[in-house]
Amino acid sequence: DIVMTQSPDSLAVSLGERATIHCKSSQSVFYSSNNKNQLAWYQQKPGQPPKLLIYWASIRESGVPDRFSGSGSGTDFSLTISSLQAEDVAVYYCQQFYNTPQTFGQGTKVEIK
Amino acid sequence: QVQLVQSGAEVKKPGASVKLSCKASGYTFTNYYINWVRQATGQRLEWMGWMDPNSGDAGYAQKFQGGITLTRNTSIRTAYMELSSLRSDDTAVYYCARGGVPGSSAWNYFDYWGQGALVTVSS
Repeated sequence: DIVMTQSPDSLAVSLGERATIHCKSSQSVFYSSNNKNQLAWYQQKPGQPPKLLIYWASIRESGVPDRFSGSGSGTDFSLTISSLQAEDVAVYYCQQFYNTPQTFGQGTKVEIK
Repeated sequence: QVQLVQSGAEVKKPGASVKLSCKASGYTFTNYYINWVRQATGQRLEWMGWMDPNSGDAGYAQKFQGGITLTRNTSIRTAYMELSSLRSDDTAVYYCARGGVPGSSAWNYFDYWGQGALVTVSS
């Protein structure tokens, strides 16, 4: 199985400041057949299901604010919130869908400092 | 709008089975895979399997092979997940989630999720 490891486990950032979450996969999730990284990011608030933010490592899902951006390739990825808002307090997960079983990171909790 | 509405919470005894439902609306049910993902309290999300609503084909994570069955009823646009021989560590919130398009890879990101159903396994 591909192991997804996120860092840090938790992050406290002041309102309006930048928050960056890292995700590392135990093997490359770059799929040469479509030239895309098979990596997604989700936001989960308490009592809610995950919400898709980013797919193919850097494509923002429709309706997601442009303060959210994804980058990286191969085994190293990051999710950046450029200006943290109060409503961004949540746990964030990365997911690889390169092969089966599809696996998720352990989550990063983002809080307000 | 796309919605996946799941059945309610269940309480089961160890060794029993549970069958959850996931009713789709707002899109053509047979045009997207349905996946099942679970989350124990404080734990990471865990993918369990996928089902092609068009063909009925399904694929399961090896961990769940032999214990999980994914089915569907296309006439009522509903997918089902049955998990057997329940143990206490199967206590979790179970989500259905829409995946990719049949004909492409069964492995995909999940763009819509059900609200989740808590399954509690306790004697």
